[in-house]
Amino acid sequence: DTGVSQDPRHKITKRGQNVTFRCDPISEHNRLYWYRQTLGQGPEFLTYFQNEAQLEKSRLLSDRFSAERPKGSFSTLEIQRTEQGDSAMYLCASSPRAISGDTQYFGPGTRLTVL
Amino acid sequence: DAKTTQPPSMDCAEGRAANLPCNHSTISGNEYVYWYRQIHSQGPQYIIHGLKNNETNEMASLIITEDRKSSTLILPHATLRDTAVYYCFDQTGANNLFFGTGTRLTVIP
Repeated sequence: DTGVSQDPRHKITKRGQNVTFRCDPISEHNRLYWYRQTLGQGPEFLTYFQNEAQLEKSRLLSDRFSAERPKGSFSTLEIQRTEQGDSAMYLCASSPRAISGDTQYFGPGTRLTVL
Repeated sequence: DAKTTQPPSMDCAEGRAANLPCNHSTISGNEYVYWYRQIHSQGPQYIIHGLKNNETNEMASLIITEDRKSSTLILPHATLRDTAVYYCFDQTGANNLFFGTGTRLTVIP
């Protein structure tokens, strides 16, 4: 399978704990995006990378959230001191280049439940 | 905020064509029309995109009006597996996607 993969698919944690999610984009895709989706809503943009550079962060990305893409390949999203409001599906997408007409391909998501 | 307008829900009989409309009132010249769908509990799935001309692929057809202010996604023979939330966008594709609430399509047996 050469699509976008995410790990884990499900995560249950207690409030106050730290969690880390991983995204492996499609090979050689330069752009990588993170989105968050809460129940009944459409996905909301969090941040994106062009290779290893983080180019944009949404105001939704509080200081408890940090994302990295150290070698321009896979990416991690860490949430520190989780809160119940962080419960959501975290989606990763990648696209090949940064030009008009490019398509973003999404992974299956990581569903986070904070108890 | 989403720049497009879609009806919140639609029903379609199985085997019939599903026609999903979208208004792109603020689309600019270099922005493409994109359609994605999201089946329950899965990541969004790319369907089709176009700039000015109508497009067709193995999943759907895309009709874009001449002024580009509206588009229609056509699923020619809807199946139960097409039940999903459908999102339309107008943007360059390289930028982050602004999802609205989409259209919830229910295919009825």
